[in-house]
Amino acid sequence: DTGVSQDPRHKITKRGQNVTFRCDPISEHNRLYWYRQTLGQGPEFLTYFQNEAQLEKSRLLSDRFSAERPKGSFSTLEIQRTEQGDSAMYLCASSLGSGSVSNQPQHFGDGTRLSIL
Amino acid sequence: GESVGLHLPTLSVQEGDNSIINCAYSNSASDYFIWYKQESGKGPQFIIDIRSNMDKRQGQRVTVLLNKTVKHLSLQIAATQPGDSAVYFCAETFSGNTGKLIFGQGTTLQVKP
Repeated sequence: DTGVSQDPRHKITKRGQNVTFRCDPISEHNRLYWYRQTLGQGPEFLTYFQNEAQLEKSRLLSDRFSAERPKGSFSTLEIQRTEQGDSAMYLCASSLGSGSVSNQPQHFGDGTRLSIL
Repeated sequence: GESVGLHLPTLSVQEGDNSIINCAYSNSASDYFIWYKQESGKGPQFIIDIRSNMDKRQGQRVTVLLNKTVKHLSLQIAATQPGDSAVYFCAETFSGNTGKLIFGQGTTLQVKP
């Protein structure tokens, strides 16, 4: 399977704990995105990487959230001191593109469902 | 802020009938649109896309129509099958940004056997 892979699929943790999620994009894709989706809603943009550079962060991404893509391949999203409101599905997507190239479709992983007790 | 919206939260159709799912967008700068299908417990699955220099694009059993005059997007599914039951989202973005997508609320398609 050469699609976007996310790990873990489910994470249950107590409030106040730190959690880290991993995303492996489609191998030739240079763009990587994180989104958050709550029940009954569409995904909301969190942050964007082009290669290893984090080029945009949503105001939804509080200072408890940090994302990295150290070698321009896989990415991690960490949430520190988790809160009840962090419970959601965290989705990763990847695509090909650059500033001079028209947008290409983003392909999503199956997400990590986070539940905060 | 501006966002993409869908007209109906739920659409119920008979198996074999055609389905039409609608979406209205408000950002006139948007020039790239995508339809996604999301099944329970899974991530959004790419169905079809269209750029603003086109008004129609066809795929396998699906057609997307874009009306820039009224900022309206629709997804037509021919001969709807039980496997088409899912939540459908339209998403928009525009050239010159990072490609981040703005999603609407979604329409749940229920296919009756």
